[in-house]
Amino acid sequence: GENVEQHPSTLSVQEGDSAVIKCTYSDSASNYFPWYKQELGKRPQLIIDIRSNVGEKKDQRIAVTLNKTAKHFSLHITETQPEDSAVYFCAAIPYGNKLVFGAGTILRVKS
Amino acid sequence: ETGVTQTPRHLVMGMTNKKSLKCEQHLGHNAMYWYKQSAKKPLELMFVYNFKEQTENNSVPSRFSPECPNSSHLFLHLHTLQPEDSALYLCASSQEMGDSPLHFGNGTRLTVT
Repeated sequence: GENVEQHPSTLSVQEGDSAVIKCTYSDSASNYFPWYKQELGKRPQLIIDIRSNVGEKKDQRIAVTLNKTAKHFSLHITETQPEDSAVYFCAAIPYGNKLVFGAGTILRVKS
Repeated sequence: ETGVTQTPRHLVMGMTNKKSLKCEQHLGHNAMYWYKQSAKKPLELMFVYNFKEQTENNSVPSRFSPECPNSSHLFLHLHTLQPEDSALYLCASSQEMGDSPLHFGNGTRLTVT
């Protein structure tokens, strides 16, 4: 089955700096890679996703890159702001199967 | 409004109690899920329903019993729980089962005493 590892478990950055969270997956058949953000006391929400037929996707300050050969994908947040502070989860899904989540990264943006 | 509504938000129950968690979605989605979220652990998939049919039971103890009467409603019936079952229980839905984005509810914070 699929196994998703996420690093780092905690990340502290200064406001305005960039933050990068990396995930690796084990099943080469995985073809969908979403990222969810969960603020304290709130539900997880999808912030960006990427499918295996592209290598990069951007949405304003957020970008995701995918390296299928190395089986890893990363979330990049530029110009971080205090409201970016949250727990971020990556996930992967083999075709026709169910999402497998990483353990999460606590991001703290210091102002 | 999230589109996925869970009740109650908080629940405290003794180990001998029976209670139910409710989830409702008005997004027209075909798949619904129960996840368990414990501190410092990945989200754990418990059950999946696709078009009202259960397609996944991830080795969940029988003290958790799901019910999906229609594609908009999902229940999780609880009985004789253990303290280690205390967690945040999240319901989610997606358009299709598989590579479709999940829409989560706000969860039920369950404490078993």
